[in-house]
Amino acid sequence: GQNIDQPTEMTATEGAIVQINCTYQTSGFNGLFWYQQHAGEAPTFLSYNVLDGLEEKGRFSSFLSRSKGYSYLLLKELQMKDSASYLCAYSPTSGTYKYIFGTGTRLKVLA
Amino acid sequence: NAGVMQNPRHLVRRRGQEARLRCSPMKGHSHVYWYRQLPEEGLKFMVYLQKENIIDESGMPKERFSAEFPKEGPSILRIQQVVRGDSAAYFCASSPSAGGIYEQYFGPGTRLTVT
Repeated sequence: GQNIDQPTEMTATEGAIVQINCTYQTSGFNGLFWYQQHAGEAPTFLSYNVLDGLEEKGRFSSFLSRSKGYSYLLLKELQMKDSASYLCAYSPTSGTYKYIFGTGTRLKVLA
Repeated sequence: NAGVMQNPRHLVRRRGQEARLRCSPMKGHSHVYWYRQLPEEGLKFMVYLQKENIIDESGMPKERFSAEFPKEGPSILRIQQVVRGDSAAYFCASSPSAGGIYEQYFGPGTRLTVT
């Protein structure tokens, strides 16, 4: 089947580093996406991993291990504005290429 | 280049009425996806359309819900005889092509409230 799991909530302190994990089960996919969604707003694209390894983009990095069915989003030097939900997603290669989203992780950044 | 546009942003309907949600994809995008989101939950896939074609409607209830993406004009998600359980945020997203390798661009969403 197709499934994505993420922790429901996380709390971290301003200036710290936080890692948000995402595990998935699928027979195949092209790549793994991460989106950020502030409360009451639309999701916005953060990163896309095709190959195993770490992709760095400023304060945000994303990691993928296909063999372990695992990805994480790493946020460094946390700021209050990083308080949001973070959703991982993939598009299964079997089927119509729709996108499957995880339930999202709500991150609260405390001063 | 205008982003994905949705209207209305807020919609209030009484039980039994019809709700029509519109989505205009980004210019040059021919693939549209509709999602439903309940408060503090993730995005639930509903339907995937290309111009004049429904590609995948596996996430859409078979009764009362329908979607279209005509050759001209916006994509429309239609909910007939709304019930309280239909209250949610409905987001549409667009991408330039298929294949699951493109980021999706999301509209601001329509918040539907059924009273």
